[in-house]
Amino acid sequence: SAVISQKPSRDICQRGTSLTIQCQVDSQVTMMFWYRQQPGQSLTLIATANQGSEATYESGFVIDKFPISRPNLTFSTLTVSNMSPEDSSIYLCSVTGQGVGEQFFGPGTRLTVL
Amino acid sequence: GENVEQHPSTLSVQEGDSAVIKCTYSDSASNYFPWYKQELGKRPQLIIDIRSNVGEKKDQRIAVTLNKTAKHFSLHITETQPEDSAVYFCAASIYGGATNKLIFGTGTLLAVQP
Repeated sequence: SAVISQKPSRDICQRGTSLTIQCQVDSQVTMMFWYRQQPGQSLTLIATANQGSEATYESGFVIDKFPISRPNLTFSTLTVSNMSPEDSSIYLCSVTGQGVGEQFFGPGTRLTVL
Repeated sequence: GENVEQHPSTLSVQEGDSAVIKCTYSDSASNYFPWYKQELGKRPQLIIDIRSNVGEKKDQRIAVTLNKTAKHFSLHITETQPEDSAVYFCAASIYGGATNKLIFGTGTLLAVQP
């Protein structure tokens, strides 16, 4: 399966600032997604990153807060904007695999907002 | 939209016993049901999945069953070992559609006592 990396692996940020998280895959993939996992919770889909067009956001998530880019089939970024302590979470990217429906996750970015 | 319920939230078993985790889904159009294992501080790992044209799938000590009529599916782990201790998430999706997004259950913390 594809090798997925994320940068940074963790960060501590001040409220009001923004952080951009990168997701890199070692092979071209059809679909890329961004999830949030709050402490001790399940995974919630933020958006589907579409190559060459605007991301598709889930209910409760907006582009101004979580702008997403996907310039090609191997790379995507998620920005967490104007951060508050409530944004402290693990942010994970996932990509579709060879099998129909399969998704594989990156290692995640652990974000703490003070 | 799709909703996935998962039970129990915690499960403690003795090494060698079996463990069963159950999930129900709401959208009858869902046709792909993966299970993920997440160890502490690690990314979710796909351990087994089942598609709606299959009633049961087995992989060594792990099996998944699907009842489309009742809209529920279950994960069965036999001969549990301490390394099976982790949080397990079920998910449901409609593959082949526009988004292929996964909706996750709330997770089950499995503790295998030596």
